[in-house]
Amino acid sequence: EPEVTQTPSHQVTQMGQEVILRCVPISNHLYFYWYRQILGQKVEFLVSFYNNEISEKSEIFDDQFSVERPDGSNFTLKIRSTKLEDSAMYFCAKSGGGDSSGANVLTFGAGSRLTVL
Amino acid sequence: QKEVEQNSGPLSVPEGAIASLNCTYSDRGSQSFFWYRQYSGKSPELIMSIYSNGDKEDGRFTAQLNKASQYVSLLIRDSQPSDSATYLCAVGYTGGFKTIFGAGTRLFVKA
Repeated sequence: EPEVTQTPSHQVTQMGQEVILRCVPISNHLYFYWYRQILGQKVEFLVSFYNNEISEKSEIFDDQFSVERPDGSNFTLKIRSTKLEDSAMYFCAKSGGGDSSGANVLTFGAGSRLTVL
Repeated sequence: QKEVEQNSGPLSVPEGAIASLNCTYSDRGSQSFFWYRQYSGKSPELIMSIYSNGDKEDGRFTAQLNKASQYVSLLIRDSQPSDSATYLCAVGYTGGFKTIFGAGTRLFVKA
């Protein structure tokens, strides 16, 4: 059983629509992340979420994006008013934390492929 | 701007050979260094982590770190066709939560 489960595996949406991507970490970790990977490009950090708050975000993570953990288990990424350039694979990840042992060791989910038409 | 640079490849080696993958990073404040393997269409999976200067070995994999030169490498001994993938170098920072990834090096191991 994967440690991080993401749904949907693939979503197709029209430009301007809202999309919600979901992540369910199996174990009770405190540190969660969203990364994205545009086809053929590098894995890019979007946001980190610690203790139910955003701890760090990239310049990519603008007002179009939001994250929350509404029920204490699911971890969601919402993209409002999607654009063509939002088409990418979105990875949820968890880590053991920021201490020196195992710091930032990421376990990724299988990803959600978003296609914006 | 923190950067992680890798040669995009492709790097092609025959089965049984040693594959050598290299990475440089820009921020001297970097504290943790990782190699992830990514098969086509799949998510990255951790191969090695290294935090101090020197070598770290795990099976057929050896990670090497030189903080003075801001250089990280990964050696894969006895390369197998199943090692064919993109290898991502990644750098993390103490006190921060962001991990920066390089663009990856594509490795092909020919049978």
